[in-house]
Amino acid sequence: DIQMTQSPSSLSASVGDRVTITCRASQNINTYLNWYQQKPGKAPNLLIYGASILQSGVPSRFSGSGSGTDFTLTISSLLPEDLATYYCQQTYSNPLSAFGPGTKVYIK
Amino acid sequence: EVQLVQSGAELKKPGESLKISCRGSGYSFTTYWIGWVRQVPGKGLEWMGIVYPGDSDTRYSPSFQGQVTISTDESISTAYLQWSSLKASDTAIYYCATRSPGYPYYFDFWGQGTLVTVSS
Repeated sequence: DIQMTQSPSSLSASVGDRVTITCRASQNINTYLNWYQQKPGKAPNLLIYGASILQSGVPSRFSGSGSGTDFTLTISSLLPEDLATYYCQQTYSNPLSAFGPGTKVYIK
Repeated sequence: EVQLVQSGAELKKPGESLKISCRGSGYSFTTYWIGWVRQVPGKGLEWMGIVYPGDSDTRYSPSFQGQVTISTDESISTAYLQWSSLKASDTAIYYCATRSPGYPYYFDFWGQGTLVTVSS
């Protein structure tokens, strides 16, 4: 099985800050890596797919990078509505898949 | 407009059986994989399994193999997740989601979630 880890597990940042979340796979997954945002009480929402492709309608302050085993989600300038938990997902083992444990983002 | 509408919240007792549903509309139901995701209250997302309605090809995460059954009824564009004997540890929100047909296989449309509570 491919295991996914994320760091940090939570973070607190101020409005306007640049925020970076890291996701690591236990083996090479090329760019079969997606990022989701889940706001409290809501279903997850796709932000980034293929490690770096912004989903239609997602604000450009979100960006993704990486390939192989190490990936990054960046929020260039944090807004209050970015309060959420962020999950990475590998789909290299298609059709099987797995999510990372999540990173909770708080606003200071 | 693609929509996945899930069945309502359930309150069940340990040992009871349950089947929850996810009805798709606005797209060709038989040509997109549908996955199921578990979220225990206050915890993260867990990928459970996935089914291809076109030929009923079904795959499970090792963590859920033998614990649940995923199926579809293409005549009513509906996917199902079922348990034969619920446990308290099955208490969670369950989401269905459609998977994109090609690389890199992301979940782009999600149901609203079904809360399953198992308590004596």
